[in-house]
Amino acid sequence: DAEITQSPRHKITETGRQVTLACHQTWNHNNMFWYRQDLGHGLRLIHYSYGVQDTNKGEVSDGYSVSRSNTEDLPLTLESAASSQTSVYFCASSRQGSRRQYFGPGTRLTVT
Amino acid sequence: QQPVQSPQAVILREGEDAVINCSSSKALYSVHWYRQKHGEAPVFLMILLKGGEQKGHEKISASFNEKKQQSSLYLTASQLSYSGTYFCGTEIRGGSQGNLIFGKGTKLSVKP
Repeated sequence: DAEITQSPRHKITETGRQVTLACHQTWNHNNMFWYRQDLGHGLRLIHYSYGVQDTNKGEVSDGYSVSRSNTEDLPLTLESAASSQTSVYFCASSRQGSRRQYFGPGTRLTVT
Repeated sequence: QQPVQSPQAVILREGEDAVINCSSSKALYSVHWYRQKHGEAPVFLMILLKGGEQKGHEKISASFNEKKQQSSLYLTASQLSYSGTYFCGTEIRGGSQGNLIFGKGTKLSVKP
């Protein structure tokens, strides 16, 4: 079955380290999104992509980057992890022309 | 820009009804509703695209008043399975397709 997966599911890292969170979908969706979820804030958009080589900043993009080299993957990189980036990260995808988003299971990241 | 959801939390007995509201200060193109159970990913419920549109999903329905930039989610004859946090995601008119700004969520607890 087609699906969207995230890895790792849990990650503990130290301040200042570079971290990459993986997101992989097998639906061949053009649109992919990264959100972070924190208590009291809901889901906030970090970056999004509408296709290969296309990336755009969301409302909380500082300290994060993404690249889209193929349709299936949108890895999220924290250039230099900070304690403020401790959060649960969700990846989502949607097909072109549809606004319905399918969310991955999430990655819980702790920065110590 | 973040839409305001009310109430923040609600506790129901099985069989009771609830209404969750979502209000934006921006002109909206669409409103999306998602439900998230503890420790899981958000799951799509419905999208409302047109002013005054009302849609249904089992015993869960929603309305969208485009002029007032408001949407309401109606849960009737609630079941234990309805427990979770409900998020509205708003797509601003003139913004990027599928680029959602989520509210902070409404936590719904249904008791036997």
